[in-house]
Amino acid sequence: EAGVTQFPSHSVIEKGQTVTLRCDPISGHDNLYWYRRVMGKEIKFLLHFVKESKQDESGMPNNRFLAERTGGTYSTLKVQPAELEDSGVYFCASSQDKSGMRDSAGNTIYFGEGSWLTVV
Amino acid sequence: AQSVTQLGSHVSVSEGALVLLRCNYSSSVPPYLFWYVQYPNQGLQLLLKYTTGATLVKGINGFEAEFKKSETSFHLTKPSAHMSDAAEYFCAVRTYSGAGSYQLTFGKGTKLSVIP
Repeated sequence: EAGVTQFPSHSVIEKGQTVTLRCDPISGHDNLYWYRRVMGKEIKFLLHFVKESKQDESGMPNNRFLAERTGGTYSTLKVQPAELEDSGVYFCASSQDKSGMRDSAGNTIYFGEGSWLTVV
Repeated sequence: AQSVTQLGSHVSVSEGALVLLRCNYSSSVPPYLFWYVQYPNQGLQLLLKYTTGATLVKGINGFEAEFKKSETSFHLTKPSAHMSDAAEYFCAVRTYSGAGSYQLTFGKGTKLSVIP
């Protein structure tokens, strides 16, 4: 079974440019999350999709960040325009909704390898 | 609000020595706790988790953690360190966002170095 895959693995862009990160969750997983870790800081939650719906986007830092999950499969996270402080690792994760509850404790959350973004 | 504190951003141990990585949490509800590991150039991998039941939880690669409610701790241990254990370890607590969603709140991570 394929794990959570993310693309690109590394990206270097100039301040003011646009970058789009893609995440393919594990097949059949309804829950999809985006997290990020900026340099020297802890990993922080950005948002949570359940299928194609945004369940919680309270962690999105500002309106330069736009996440989508059309069709409830893969997701994209676009940063436009990118700023220096956006540099970091962006993790995508997914989990199965076994019980009908929103991400019950029994559901393991599987993370991808991350997309490393450097804004120069 | 839930939070996690990992004591020590860097820990060094000799190969074969005990590994102890500390994690303390703050939670207003019974916590669900997790340890993740990130090997160099890889993603986050779940080591183990505590939800309910037995307070001593065994994970992969010989790691285990014990939930101690009275100490609000969930320290990670391994009896004998191996070179391949060198990685960054993250403790996390499940957090309810209030928007119908659970998420993970992570500690800042502890980098483990294993000395030959």
